[in-house]
Amino acid sequence: NAGVTQTPKFQVLKTGQSMTLQCAQDMNHNSMYWYRQDPGMGLRLIYYSASEGTTDKGEVPNGYNVSRLNKREFSLRLESAAPSQTSVYFCASRLWTELVQPQHFGDGTRLSIL
Amino acid sequence: SQQGEEDPQALSIQEGENATMNCSYKTSINNLQWYRQNSGRGLVHLILIRSNEREKHSGRLRVTLDTSKKSSSLLITASRAADTASYFCATGGASGSARQLTFGSGTQLTVLP
Repeated sequence: NAGVTQTPKFQVLKTGQSMTLQCAQDMNHNSMYWYRQDPGMGLRLIYYSASEGTTDKGEVPNGYNVSRLNKREFSLRLESAAPSQTSVYFCASRLWTELVQPQHFGDGTRLSIL
Repeated sequence: SQQGEEDPQALSIQEGENATMNCSYKTSINNLQWYRQNSGRGLVHLILIRSNEREKHSGRLRVTLDTSKKSSSLLITASRAADTASYFCATGGASGSARQLTFGSGTQLTVLP
């Protein structure tokens, strides 16, 4: 099983450009998450989707939008990229957000904004 | 703001020694989880302990939880070079948005061969 797959793995953007980070999971999970990880810090939650058809803001949602395309896919969009959004972005999933369970992570997208 | 804070920030030990990492948190929790992150990879779940549990074991891992002190520790026994990684604690609340995990800043463990 692939688990959680993120594309692309690396991306360089110029300030003001837009892009969409893709995430897909093949574990039939209902809940999906987007985090960012900055040097010396833990993961911070950007947005999450508790189930197909719902999305909610996390700790740091400003500058981002998300789409839960279907049960498998959850995308993160930067409409107008800023240098402060240079980070490593992780997608995660788990069966249900209401259950006490571990999350499964992809290997991340390393995004640099010049 | 981050709920969990790990201590120490970095730890370097010899292969075969034990490694202990600590995590402190601020508000009441429903569960606490430990994750490992190898360089350039995503996080991998190691162990989960619920708020009504005091200790759990999994292979060479031992986790303790003291809810009165709002702290947890992760012990890795007989460490190996392959244990070199960053280790994060993550806390989960009881319901609603608090169910989402809040991660600490991590401990970087280096195991020297």
